[in-house]
Amino acid sequence: GNSVTQMEGPVTLSEEAFLTINCTYTATGYPSLFWYVQYPGEGLQLLLKATKADDKGSNKGFEATYRKETTSFHLEKGSVQVSDSAVYFCALTQNTGNQFYFGTGTSLTVIP
Amino acid sequence: DARVTQTPRHKVTEMGQEVTMRCQPILGHNTVFWYRQTMMQGLELLAYFRNRAPLDDSGMPKDRFSAEMPDATLATLKIQPSEPRDSAVYFCASGSGTGWNGYTFGSGTRLTVV
Repeated sequence: GNSVTQMEGPVTLSEEAFLTINCTYTATGYPSLFWYVQYPGEGLQLLLKATKADDKGSNKGFEATYRKETTSFHLEKGSVQVSDSAVYFCALTQNTGNQFYFGTGTSLTVIP
Repeated sequence: DARVTQTPRHKVTEMGQEVTMRCQPILGHNTVFWYRQTMMQGLELLAYFRNRAPLDDSGMPKDRFSAEMPDATLATLKIQPSEPRDSAVYFCASGSGTGWNGYTFGSGTRLTVV
C-alpha cells in the first residue's frame, strides 16, 4: 500500500538554525512526492515537489531530494526564519492522479 | 493567483442540524477532493471526484455524509444530521491532470457542532 511517515513534532528552533524534517514513504510503483505547508488558520500550500528519483525540489530556501534507495524525501532549510513557523506535511501520490497520502504533519516553531 | 473558494469559513450549529459546505474549484480543474482535519486524526480523505464523477467516497460515513458536484464550478459536502464528533476543519482541494503539479487547497470551513 501507500503511506507516508514523518518525524514527530513539535520542533522548536532558534532563528537561523538548520532545519531537517524527516519523511519516508511506502509506495507501489513510482510516486511523486510533495511537501505542503500549513500556516495557522489557512489551508495547505504546496511548498515543493519531486516527480522522479534523484529529483530535488526547492522553494523559498527549502529543499528536498527524492531518494528511491532510502525511500525518503527529507525537508531541509539552511537558515530558518520566524515566518517559517507552520505545520509541514509530506505527501505522495501515484502518478495516475489518484488521491494524496499525507503524513501526520510536523509542527515547526522558530523563536527569535 | 487562482484560488479554491470555500464557504462558509466558519459554521457553528446544533447537533442534529443539517450542514452544507461549498467549494468552488479553480476553473479548469477536473479533480476535487474533500478532506477533514482534526488534531486527533490529522488529514482524512473523505471523497474525491474527477470530471464531476465520484471516484472514491470510502472515507465518508455514508449514513450522514454526502458529497456531490452539481456542476463543474461547485462541489458540496453535506452532513445530516450533524454530531459533535463532526467538529473539524473541512478542506476542499482541486487540481488537473494526474496530480503531478500538486493540488490547490481552499482555506477550509471550520465546523463546530454543539
